[in-house]
Amino acid sequence: DQQVKQNSPSLSVQEGRISILNCDYTNSMFDYFLWYKKYPAEGPTFLISISSIKDKNEDGRFTVFLNKSAKHLSLHIVPSQPGDSAVYFCAARPYSGNTPLVFGKGTRLSVIA
Amino acid sequence: DTGVSQDPRHKITKRGQNVTFRCDPISEHNRLYWYRQTLGQGPEFLTYFQNEAQLEKSRLLSDRFSAERPKGSFSTLEIQRTEQGDSAMYLCASSAPKGSDRGGGGANVLTFGAGSRLTVL
Repeated sequence: DQQVKQNSPSLSVQEGRISILNCDYTNSMFDYFLWYKKYPAEGPTFLISISSIKDKNEDGRFTVFLNKSAKHLSLHIVPSQPGDSAVYFCAARPYSGNTPLVFGKGTRLSVIA
Repeated sequence: DTGVSQDPRHKITKRGQNVTFRCDPISEHNRLYWYRQTLGQGPEFLTYFQNEAQLEKSRLLSDRFSAERPKGSFSTLEIQRTEQGDSAMYLCASSAPKGSDRGGGGANVLTFGAGSRLTVL
């Protein structure tokens, strides 16, 4: 069963507007959530993380929101730029810290100039 | 440090052949992970090492797969008697010792290599 779900395979946004990527999880025993970005022919690169004890973390144009009661998190990119076009993966880390990250299937973001 | 290096970047082989992938992690990272990614999927965990000890293996890792990290530095992933279903991107990642993670806010960030793409004909 998939513990981390990204239900939107793709998203198109105009340059300068907000991109919102969503992620749902089923396991209450995750203590950190991470977002990774992946360009073609490259490995995923870390973007931003949030601890389960917080509800928001911001880094420049990127903000992650966590709603624990809904088991939902979202990544906001404002303003979106063409260089943000990539596949975005949501990942979660179990509380033990000794178990590897669990990834969602990814959402392909296309930012149109 | 140049990050996580993987070799080869691409491998085409015939069904039934053996293949081996190599991963060189970031030098100060003590944990090393192997993931597999197929089209339309996210990275799926295969196995990981802390130093030279293999701590966990996924049920995805059949007995045709073996991974080693003999001196706690580089690692190899070997696939014996390859099958067409083994075609995928094999990703290696490494992470810093717990508590020394910088920039991830305690999340134990994995740094990935560019991957080794395997095509089994």
